[in-house]
Amino acid sequence: GAVVSQHPSRVICKSGTSVKIECRSLDFQATTMFWYRQFPKQSLMLMATSNEGSKATYEQGVEKDKFLINHASLTLSTLTVTSAHPEDSSFYICSASPPSGGGITDTQYFGPGTRLTVL
Amino acid sequence: GENVEQHPSTLSVQEGDSAVIKCTYSDSASNYFPWYKQELGKGPQLIIDIRSNVGEKKDQRIAVTLNKTAKHFSLHITETQPEDSAVYFCAATPFGNEKLTFGTGTRLTIIP
Repeated sequence: GAVVSQHPSRVICKSGTSVKIECRSLDFQATTMFWYRQFPKQSLMLMATSNEGSKATYEQGVEKDKFLINHASLTLSTLTVTSAHPEDSSFYICSASPPSGGGITDTQYFGPGTRLTVL
Repeated sequence: GENVEQHPSTLSVQEGDSAVIKCTYSDSASNYFPWYKQELGKGPQLIIDIRSNVGEKKDQRIAVTLNKTAKHFSLHITETQPEDSAVYFCAATPFGNEKLTFGTGTRLTIIP
């Protein structure tokens, strides 16, 4: 159990276009999902916390109008990179956590990541 | 906020030997400490975790120790194999379903 999927696995787009990345918890409901960004040979940097049915909480320095997050259901969160530019090229990873008290321990499970390349 | 330091940044170990990676954290409110393994081009995979009410946890060749007084925890891999080669990240958080603060990662290379 505790599988998190992401789609697409990789995407190449032109500068100025928008890209949507999906994160799904396949076998559990996730009231909270997290979005991370990872540059080559660096650690994961938290971008925002996505809460089902409410607005996302963004980390300091992350532009909320640039990185739109929607958590419309207990199994799906989306990250939309709007008007993407080459500096937005990165590895985007989501994680999901089941509610406390569920059958699965309250830990975080990560998706496989999405490689975004902006030309 | 929480700050997690991780050492070493790179580690090369002969196959069959043991590997140890150490992390320190700053926030005494942290109670949950997971370890993740990340292979190239993939997302992090949880390999073991420990909570503050336990001093040690073991799962086959992998073990984690926690010293809450000193605010440090360590990952131990015994009888290393080539497939253990990856980047390992430690993390800390008050609760498992809250945001994680990651260490800077350790690139482990197992030499055949």
